[in-house]
Amino acid sequence: QVQLVESGGGVVQPGRSPRLSCVASGFSFSSYGMHWVRQAPGKGLEWVAVIWYDGSHEYYADSVKGRFTISRDNSKNTLSLQMNSLRAEDTAVYYCARDIHSGSLRYFDLWGRGTLVTVSS
Amino acid sequence: EIVLTQSPGTLSLSPGERATLSCRAGQSVSSTYLAWYQQKPGQAPRLIIYGASSRATGIPDRFSGSGSGTDFTLTINRLEPEDFAVYYCQQYGSSRWTFGQGTKVEIK
Repeated sequence: QVQLVESGGGVVQPGRSPRLSCVASGFSFSSYGMHWVRQAPGKGLEWVAVIWYDGSHEYYADSVKGRFTISRDNSKNTLSLQMNSLRAEDTAVYYCARDIHSGSLRYFDLWGRGTLVTVSS
Repeated sequence: EIVLTQSPGTLSLSPGERATLSCRAGQSVSSTYLAWYQQKPGQAPRLIIYGASSRATGIPDRFSGSGSGTDFTLTINRLEPEDFAVYYCQQYGSSRWTFGQGTKVEIK
């Protein structure tokens, strides 16, 4: 079954450094770029970060640049997001999503169900 | 960063009616980089339209996308009960992605 399953969320104190994971199954994980997208409670979608299929490039939203690090382990079909110096405004459901880059087309065709990170003391 | 502005914020319609959702970009966007997603409460987003006008796998033909440059439209003909949801447009440019703030299509 083609799917993405996130984990690692929970209640986290400000300033702590949780790590989120996304395990892929049912497809060739190492062939796809991968994203993290977040959604604060009751708000819209915000793109967070992307990593190329081979891990050669990473790009971040300005809101997380320098605090979050995206990485992947293609041998374990796993995408990760290391979150440092968390702030209350980082509270959100974090989704991983598969990148489609086909010719000049670019979009996200597969999403996980998300994991909720709540930053609170 | 290219800002996407969706309108209206909320669309109140009855089943069977047509929904017309707008997505306006702050600067020109390649149509190949414009996508639409549907999100229902408690669920992950689902790809509806990619390349501005191509339907994703399994999406019924009552959904259609159009537009170019800075103005894009998602049209849903003959709304079905399962179509009531929030819809987001998305664009890609310069290794960054942005989403519009969403349009909620609710039952009138």
